[in-house]
Amino acid sequence: VQLLESGGGLVPTGGSLRLSCAVSGFRFDRHAMSWVRLAPGKGLQWVSGVNARNRAAEAEFVRGRFTVSRDEAKNMVYLQLNSLGVDDTAVYHCVRDRESRGYGYYFDAWGQGTLVTV
Amino acid sequence: QSLLTQPPSVSGAPGQTVTISCTGTDSNIGASFDVHWYQYLPGTAPRLLIYDNNNRPSGVPDRFSGSKSGASASLVIAGLQAEDEADYYCQSADNNLNAWGGFGGGTKVTVL
Repeated sequence: VQLLESGGGLVPTGGSLRLSCAVSGFRFDRHAMSWVRLAPGKGLQWVSGVNARNRAAEAEFVRGRFTVSRDEAKNMVYLQLNSLGVDDTAVYHCVRDRESRGYGYYFDAWGQGTLVTV
Repeated sequence: QSLLTQPPSVSGAPGQTVTISCTGTDSNIGASFDVHWYQYLPGTAPRLLIYDNNNRPSGVPDRFSGSKSGASASLVIAGLQAEDEADYYCQSADNNLNAWGGFGGGTKVTVL
């Protein structure tokens, strides 16, 4: 299983970035995928996820600024980041989701992450 | 503010046992949603340590164990080793959020 992120960088307040995640080594079409970030001095935060039926959800702090998407043909996951603020500075990890025994997801494979600095 | 509550830090000498608590509410752990645990070493990607309350993925040493009771969960590290010094996070789904839920604030484990 490999998850390889790209697209991070330095961006001014209010700017935009598009993060990409190249996926390999498993049946991509069978898994939900998410983005989880780790900000300096803060803990892990789930940002946004998209299930295998292409239904997406986001964390409350996103407030419609970010959009997650997936391309089954290219085995890619994307996160479009708009209206970025300093609080969005973090390493953004692409993660593979697994369905919990009961309800919900957990994250069983992680990419190394890409740094976004606002 | 994190969805789940963890102590900021715990410490122990090599060989000792440490326990990390994770406290939720009636909308997440208390609603019988499973709890999952992750280990984060700076400079590396986080890794799944425990899933569905008490299951270890292959490759995770059996000195790591998890449990859940009511609206709380615990991660136990038995026979603490220097390489266990890391940050640990719990995670659960939440009725007021979505199936992905959220994380605890993280606990720094220090090996004395």
